[in-house]
Amino acid sequence: QVHLQESGPGLVKPSSTMSLTCTVSGVSISSGSYYWSWIRQHPGQGLEWIGYIYHTGSTYYNPSLKFRVAISVDSSKNQFSLNLKSVTAADTAVYYCARLNIAHNTMRVWGQGTTVTVSS
Amino acid sequence: QSALTQPASVSGSPGQSITISCTGTSSDVGAYNYVSWYQQHPGKAPKLMIYDVSDRPSGVSDRFSGSKSGNTASLTISGLQAEDEADYYCNSFTSSSTFVFGGGTKVTVL
Repeated sequence: QVHLQESGPGLVKPSSTMSLTCTVSGVSISSGSYYWSWIRQHPGQGLEWIGYIYHTGSTYYNPSLKFRVAISVDSSKNQFSLNLKSVTAADTAVYYCARLNIAHNTMRVWGQGTTVTVSS
Repeated sequence: QSALTQPASVSGSPGQSITISCTGTSSDVGAYNYVSWYQQHPGKAPKLMIYDVSDRPSGVSDRFSGSKSGNTASLTISGLQAEDEADYYCNSFTSSSTFVFGGGTKVTVL
């Protein structure tokens, strides 16, 4: 059974860099069938796609975030990570990681989400 | 890229059918048959209900169906049940190899 679990600090200071990690179990992150994605949801708002990475390191980002976001993969730990720099209160959200099926371009397996609050 | 357009809310009585629309452009919804629909209950992670416009993952009720015409995709819930009350989001792959979500639709069972 595939399981994704987000982890990282729940509170981040403004103007700093936020780092989250998604630990994958039940499947190798190096499997060629999947991309690995990050999505966020602002309080009381809808879903916003952030970006995805292939195990080779190829990445695609939401154009609105591409100058601040970086997604990386650590195949040895079966993890992938999200770095978001210069955070503001507008980055306060629940952050989800998800497995993206390449053949169908769909996110079938999601983590439970982790809440990040940007505040001093 | 702009968010796909969904109605903010849709409601129906138990047993009725409702349809949620999702309007995009020729660069996303209209470009590929890679439209997915997600159901989200409060405080929970989204759950995939429909992928590839009209396919259902195993375990999803056949009361849920999807379709597409041009730049607009639709999700229909037949035989509405109390447990269907949730937020629903459409999602599409785009010509830039990115993804875009709709703004979400709150479904209320009267």
